[in-house]
Amino acid sequence: AQSVTQLGSHVSVSEGALVLLRCNYSSSVPPYLFWYVQYPNQGLQLLLKYTSAATLVKGINGFEAEFKKSETSFHLTKPSAHMSDAAEYFCAVTDQAGTALIFGKGTTLSVSS
Amino acid sequence: DTAVSQTPKYLVTQMGNDKSIKCEQNLGHDTMYWYKQDSKKFLKIMFSYNNKELIINETVPNRFSPKSPDKAHLNLHINSLELGDSAVYFCASSQDRATEAFFGQGTRLTVV
Repeated sequence: AQSVTQLGSHVSVSEGALVLLRCNYSSSVPPYLFWYVQYPNQGLQLLLKYTSAATLVKGINGFEAEFKKSETSFHLTKPSAHMSDAAEYFCAVTDQAGTALIFGKGTTLSVSS
Repeated sequence: DTAVSQTPKYLVTQMGNDKSIKCEQNLGHDTMYWYKQDSKKFLKIMFSYNNKELIINETVPNRFSPKSPDKAHLNLHINSLELGDSAVYFCASSQDRATEAFFGQGTRLTVV
């Protein structure tokens, strides 16, 4: 069965520091992987997606993620954190039947000045 | 022009009541979903609906029923509401599994 594990429920960084949010997946078929961001009291917004093209995926707001099959990972990074990046981040994989997204438990990113 | 819209945004109701949440998408997508986000922010699929095929997450109580009058709408009806139903419910749509899902703003349901 498909699943994702996000390591670290809470990550704190200083403004300007590197952001690294970890996601490992389990999939019995070639996965489609996604990162979403959720700001308080809002819906989910897609940051980026991996659909078997380039392994390094660039998304919005300066985020990128690298698909590493050997490590079954899809970690999200941003070179320099901004206060506005503070939010909840979710990694997701499509289920085996391709009928829905399976989400990780989320990582809360805090950014301090 | 909102891509996926849900109404109402907030819903407070008493135990035992029946309520509906409406969802509409104007993206022309073939598949729509309902997700539940609990108090710990965990997101779980409840239903997906594609070309009149309904796929139900087996853990969803049968008090919950999706209704789709047409491809652009997927409403969620809940019977006999319970305290544990309190959560944020998200509607979403996508074209297919290789494309992203677009989410509505959510409906915060509070059962008292």
